[in-house]
Amino acid sequence: DAGVIQSPRHEVTEMGQEVTLRCKPISGHDYLFWYRQTMMRGLELLIYFNNNVPIDDSGMPEDRFSAKMPNASFSTLKIQPSEPRDSAVYFCASSHVLGSSYNEQFFGPGTRLTVL
Amino acid sequence: AQSVTQLDSQVPVFEEAPVELRCNYSSSVSVYLFWYVQYPNQGLQLLLKYLSGSTLVKGINGFEAEFNKSQTSFHLRKPSVHISDTAEYFCAVSLLLQGGKLIFGQGTELSVKP
Repeated sequence: DAGVIQSPRHEVTEMGQEVTLRCKPISGHDYLFWYRQTMMRGLELLIYFNNNVPIDDSGMPEDRFSAKMPNASFSTLKIQPSEPRDSAVYFCASSHVLGSSYNEQFFGPGTRLTVL
Repeated sequence: AQSVTQLDSQVPVFEEAPVELRCNYSSSVSVYLFWYVQYPNQGLQLLLKYLSGSTLVKGINGFEAEFNKSQTSFHLRKPSVHISDTAEYFCAVSLLLQGGKLIFGQGTELSVKP
């Protein structure tokens, strides 16, 4: 398996532009998580899905952020409009419920977002 | 609510020396515990996990951790570190009923020097 795939790996944009981050989870996984990592705040869970349904979005910082999972193999995290304080590394992770493997999350390589 | 505290933000150590990275958690119910490692410019990788059973858990790359319920700790240890162990290490907790939601500590940067 190729693991969790994220694109793009790097994104540089200007303030006010729309940014879309993409994630393909590991095939067969039924949970998908979006995290943000910054020096100041560490790793924060933004939102997670179970079977394509958002379960907890309490970590989404504000209405400028939205996430979708139209099918089991694809999710997007959108920021509109983007601001310099959104600059961070965004990670996608997936997991599945199966015996003792439950809760083990597999992380993608991350998307490094820079908003100028 | 659950929380995780990693007591050291940076741990410098010489190659072949032992190391302990400390993690304490707070929870009113039973939790699952994890250690993840993040190498520079990479995503997180699971080192080891405690779900139940033996309180001493062995992971990859020679790391182990001990779950101590009375002290609410889950410290990570390695008897002899290598240069390649230089990375950031994250402790995390999860509740089964939260559907896999992980709460991470702030991370400990392990720097192994020759």
